[in-house]
Amino acid sequence: AQKITQTQPGMFVQEKEAVTLDCTYDTSDPSYGLFWYKQPSSGEMIFLIYQGSYDQQNATEGRYSLNFQKARKSANLVISASQLGDSAMYFCAMRPLGIYNQGGKLIFGQGTELSVKP
Amino acid sequence: DVKVTQSSRYLVKRTGEKVFLECVQDMDHENMFWYRQDPGLGLRLIYFSYDVKMKEKGDIPEGYSVSREKKERFSLILESASTNQTSMYLCASREATGLRNEQFFGPGTRLTVL
Repeated sequence: AQKITQTQPGMFVQEKEAVTLDCTYDTSDPSYGLFWYKQPSSGEMIFLIYQGSYDQQNATEGRYSLNFQKARKSANLVISASQLGDSAMYFCAMRPLGIYNQGGKLIFGQGTELSVKP
Repeated sequence: DVKVTQSSRYLVKRTGEKVFLECVQDMDHENMFWYRQDPGLGLRLIYFSYDVKMKEKGDIPEGYSVSREKKERFSLILESASTNQTSMYLCASREATGLRNEQFFGPGTRLTVL
């Protein structure tokens, strides 16, 4: 079964510190993509970062980086220098890239609610 | 600027009513999706469409149907609303080609069924 697991329902971090949000996945597909989305209290989903299963290097986008450990099937999001505006729900998602997913559907985890303290 | 819009931010309906949730994207995307979001469960796929008039069931299609008559519009239909369909509904779209293409989401519709 294909599944995404986020084991931290909620986390706190002090402003300006780094924080790691955990994500593990389960798939038998050899090719897949991993995404992180942010959902502020307003409700819209904002794409943050993407990692392909065959990418040689960990993805980075500004203050966001993805700690991809393929053998462990983990894709943790690291946010450096947290800001108050980072307070939101964060979702990890996987897109199997096999022929049975031509529509590009995503499988989401349960989410982690991050609160940044001043 | 890319945009996905949903017809309502908040909706209150009564049990047994037929409910239409509309989604429109202006990016000429082939693929469109409907999810529902519930606390502790993340987002679950209800239906998706990879082309006009083409649709496929997602993980939780029971009690829902969809319509895609035009490329830019994807409608979710609750044939007979029930209280367990009270949820946040999110529409998304993506360009079909390209492995890295992310899904773009609308602002969501918070539906309450009384």
